[in-house]
Amino acid sequence: EEQLVQSGAEVKKPGESLKISCKGSRYTFSSSWIGWVRQMPGKGLEWMGIIYPGDSDTRYSPSLQGQVTISADKSINTAYLQWSSLKASDTAMYYCARREMSALSDAFDIWGQGTMVTVSS
Amino acid sequence: IQLTQSPSFLSASVGDRVTITCRASQAISSYLAWYQQKPGKAPKLLIYAARTLQRGVSSRFSGSGSGTEFTLTISSLQPEDSATYYCQQLNTYPHGFGQGTNLEIK
Repeated sequence: EEQLVQSGAEVKKPGESLKISCKGSRYTFSSSWIGWVRQMPGKGLEWMGIIYPGDSDTRYSPSLQGQVTISADKSINTAYLQWSSLKASDTAMYYCARREMSALSDAFDIWGQGTMVTVSS
Repeated sequence: IQLTQSPSFLSASVGDRVTITCRASQAISSYLAWYQQKPGKAPKLLIYAARTLQRGVSSRFSGSGSGTEFTLTISSLQPEDSATYYCQQLNTYPHGFGQGTNLEIK
């Protein structure tokens, strides 16, 4: 079964850096976009950005550009979301998801289990 | 592109038929997906390309629409349909989501 497995929960202090991961398995990782979605506590889904691991083509939400960095290492089937200086407002659940694109479909068809990031002094 | 879902909250009974609407601020052809999210869980894809049912999803779910107005219909509500439902457009970056519709089963 195709799946995405994310790294575990993190508790960090404001100003610290962080990199969370999303590992794909049982499909050709380099051939599908991987997106990142934020969900702040009690709130809705927010599209953050997306990367194509095959060539690292990356797109960001304008509201988040410069706040986070999305990357991928296709040799180990893993995508990353990183922060250089966390803020309390970064506290959220972060999901990665595979974008399945074809002539007939375009959607996030597989989701990771989520990584909870808590930023508190 | 902004997506506006209505209603934001919906309460219905087992066996009811319910419809959730998603309106886009500009035309997005059929590049719309619907997701279901239960508390503490990742979202689950229900419908893609506005009207195509994802494999393994109950046929009680159906989608329609194109351009700027879309609907998700759940026929014969079941207790397990209690969840929050989101639409997402994939026509233009950023591929944003609607604000969600919280469906409660009475």
